[in-house]
Amino acid sequence: TQLLEQSPQFLSIQEGENLTVYCNSSSVFSSLQWYRQEPGEGPVLLVTVVTGGEVKKLKRLTFQFGDARKDSSLHITAAQPGDTGLYLCAGANSGGSNYKLTFGKGTLLTMNP
Amino acid sequence: SAVISQKPSRDICQRGTSLTIQCQVDSQVTMMFWYRQQPGQSLTLIATANQGSEATYESGFVIDKFPISRPNLTFSTLTVSNMSPEDSSIYLCSGAGGNEQFFGPGTRLTVL
Repeated sequence: TQLLEQSPQFLSIQEGENLTVYCNSSSVFSSLQWYRQEPGEGPVLLVTVVTGGEVKKLKRLTFQFGDARKDSSLHITAAQPGDTGLYLCAGANSGGSNYKLTFGKGTLLTMNP
Repeated sequence: SAVISQKPSRDICQRGTSLTIQCQVDSQVTMMFWYRQQPGQSLTLIATANQGSEATYESGFVIDKFPISRPNLTFSTLTVSNMSPEDSSIYLCSGAGGNEQFFGPGTRLTVL
């Protein structure tokens, strides 16, 4: 069974601060996806990383896939209230008919008033 | 990307009854899945919905409790049978094509 360790589980920050969320595994994934979920909604796909060492940017969000495709990070610069939510990383173990995602436990990001 | 809708969005049910959740995808997807999620927590895969054949269930989930149908490439149903309060959760449908997976808005189920 593949496991994906996500940390931290909870993150409470001030507006304007930077933060990083980590996903680590001992297993190699064919691709890794990051989702953001708001209360009462389903997870929304933010990015998919496929190549080891790949870096993708989405406005103030930077996603990195480790060289060995076992780990990933999400860095948010100058966090805004609209960034709050549950961030989930998910690794895909294969493609085609064997496609299945392994999810991390999630990081709940909240903003201090 | 695929747009996925679910019905109902929420329901409150009595213990011992069954509820069927419908999932519709706006385009053909290779695979469809059903997940369960406690609020604020991660997702647990219940099963892979296979078109025209029996679903593939994950450990801890059985067909008698969670029967699943997928009559075509864009539609699936999940039934939560003989419900108990422990079944109270959010149930999510997803569709996958290529190496990306998209989710419906979820069905929030409360069992009294």
